[in-house]
Amino acid sequence: KAGVTQTPRYLIKTRGQQVTLSCSPISGHRSVSWYQQTPGQGLQFLFEYFSETQRNKGNFPGRFSGRQFSNSRSEMNVSTLELGDSALYLCASSPGRTDLYEQYFGPGTRLTVT
Amino acid sequence: TQLLEQSPQFLSIQEGENLTVYCNSSSVFSSLQWYRQEPGEGPVLLVTVVTGGEVKKLKRLTFQFGDARKDSSLHITAAQTGDTGLYLCAGASGNTGKLIFGQGTTLQVKP
Repeated sequence: KAGVTQTPRYLIKTRGQQVTLSCSPISGHRSVSWYQQTPGQGLQFLFEYFSETQRNKGNFPGRFSGRQFSNSRSEMNVSTLELGDSALYLCASSPGRTDLYEQYFGPGTRLTVT
Repeated sequence: TQLLEQSPQFLSIQEGENLTVYCNSSSVFSSLQWYRQEPGEGPVLLVTVVTGGEVKKLKRLTFQFGDARKDSSLHITAAQTGDTGLYLCAGASGNTGKLIFGQGTTLQVKP
């Protein structure tokens, strides 16, 4: 099976702009989660979508939003970008079990905000 | 708030040495996972442990889940340069549906 794909891989944006990141999960996986990874904070959970519904949400401001389509593909949007939003954004797919919650990560999108 | 503390944060050893990485929490997890991440890539799942006291072996890597399901360890025997990377533990709570990650252990294995 093909792995998780994320586009674009690299992105440079200016403060105040907005950005949309895309993720295609492993075929058959219904759960897609998004994470932000920074050197200082490590891997932090943003939100999870399961069957087009947000099932869980982390502690991020409302500028961070997402959605999932009927084919399980997901997008994440960040509005009014701040310098602190510079990070590696990782998407992960999972079959959907909440007891195991095994995550299969994509390569990430490196976002730089200037 | 559930937290996972990993130690040590950094480890630099010579090829052939053994090492252990620890992952501790005051919370109980339904399962615990270990991932390895290389620069510029996403984390790759190494193993999932589910039962308290469970031990799993993956070649030279041995993973153990604490009896109370609050802690875990990763032991690498005879480390190789290819083991270099960031090792992350992550705990899953069936009630919250969230995966909590530790801060990670950066391992450098020198030839």
